[in-house]
Amino acid sequence: ELKVEQNPLFLSMQEGKNYTIYCNYSTTSDRLYWYRQDPGKSLESLFVLLSNGAVKQEGRLMASLDTKARLSTLHITAAVHDLSATYFCAGANYGGSQGNLIFGKGTKLSVKP
Amino acid sequence: EPEVTQTPSHQVTQMGQEVILRCVPISNHLYFYWYRQILGQKVEFLVSFYNNEISEKSEIFDDQFSVERPDGSNFTLKIRSTKLEDSAMYFCASGGGAGTDTQYFGPGTRLTVL
Repeated sequence: ELKVEQNPLFLSMQEGKNYTIYCNYSTTSDRLYWYRQDPGKSLESLFVLLSNGAVKQEGRLMASLDTKARLSTLHITAAVHDLSATYFCAGANYGGSQGNLIFGKGTKLSVKP
Repeated sequence: EPEVTQTPSHQVTQMGQEVILRCVPISNHLYFYWYRQILGQKVEFLVSFYNNEISEKSEIFDDQFSVERPDGSNFTLKIRSTKLEDSAMYFCASGGGAGTDTQYFGPGTRLTVL
């Protein structure tokens, strides 16, 4: 059974700094997802990583996937206040393009001036 | 841009009552899901639905829960006899459309059981 662990669970950053959120998963997952959730809101899809070595970037966020290490990272570059949110990673529970997602506990990011 | 919609946004009910949560997935998507999130906790999978039948369900999705796609556009989650611990945000998601690898989540229904 797939298990997903994120760390840290809480992250307080200063604007302009860099940091990385880590996502480990326990068994083979065909793909790895990153979502963002603002307080009281829904989940916004950020990245889908489909293969080993995949790297995707959008603005100040960059996600990567190492399937051999069963590790995905979300790197934040030069953080700004607008990035404050909770970030979830999720694996797909079984093979196929639309397996149900198993989420980590989330990383609550707070970016302070 | 197409999006998943859900109604109502907030539902308050008494323990033991039945509730139906409604979702309209993105129109060309083939897979539909319900997830829930208890306040401050992680998102948990409930059930997936494909080709008019349940394809996977979690241990949370017991006999009190059912899903239906009654008319080709709506996708509903019914809880027959609500319990206090059913209080949560319920998210509908859809995926499997052409050119998409991700699951798109609706805005959620906040269910409060008193």
